[in-house]
Amino acid sequence: AQSVAQPEDQVNVAEGNPLTVKCTYSVSGNPYLFWYVQYPNRGLQFLLKYITGDNLVKGSYGFEAEFNKSQTSFHLKKPSALVSDSALYFCAVRDVITGGGNKLTFGTGTQLKVEL
Amino acid sequence: NAGVTQTPKFQVLKTGQSMTLQCAQDMNHEYMSWYRQDPGMGLRLIHYSVGAGITDQGEVPNGYNVSRSTTEDFPLRLLSAAPSQTSVYFCASSYSPGTGGFEQYFGPGTRLTVT
Repeated sequence: AQSVAQPEDQVNVAEGNPLTVKCTYSVSGNPYLFWYVQYPNRGLQFLLKYITGDNLVKGSYGFEAEFNKSQTSFHLKKPSALVSDSALYFCAVRDVITGGGNKLTFGTGTQLKVEL
Repeated sequence: NAGVTQTPKFQVLKTGQSMTLQCAQDMNHEYMSWYRQDPGMGLRLIHYSVGAGITDQGEVPNGYNVSRSTTEDFPLRLLSAAPSQTSVYFCASSYSPGTGGFEQYFGPGTRLTVT
């Protein structure tokens, strides 16, 4: 079985400060990992993914994430937060072996609030 | 490209009524999925399809049916609506592994209330 944990329901950060949204995962094989963002009353938008290769992946809007296999983590980061980054962020995992049909398991989401 | 479209955007049903949520994509994606989003629970997979004529159950399939007669369309049917099916429903599509980038593209969602 595959699972994802987002330990923080909400993260507050001041504009201009770095932000981190945490994600840990569990899979029986190798993982495909994703971050999505959801603005109010909208669908999910893809931010970035880790499939293979470099552990540091860069995505849309200046976001990046680091894959850490030993800690089974895939934390989302941004060097300088913007008020417009305020949204709900979801981490998702697909097990390479058992995730046929591109079955994703999502975390419960982390609400990011960036304040002036 | 319109991407993934869903209709209706909002729906109110009475307990026991049936209805179909529509989903269509114009990206020629092989894979399509239905999720429901509930507060504090993230998104949970209801049903998915790996191509026309092929569907399978996800994590929470009870009370829902799907079919995939064309590559473009993937409707979700509620057979006899229950208050527990009050949720926001998202359709998503993606390329199959080897032909694309694995990421799923989501529709705008349907907000369903069952009274």
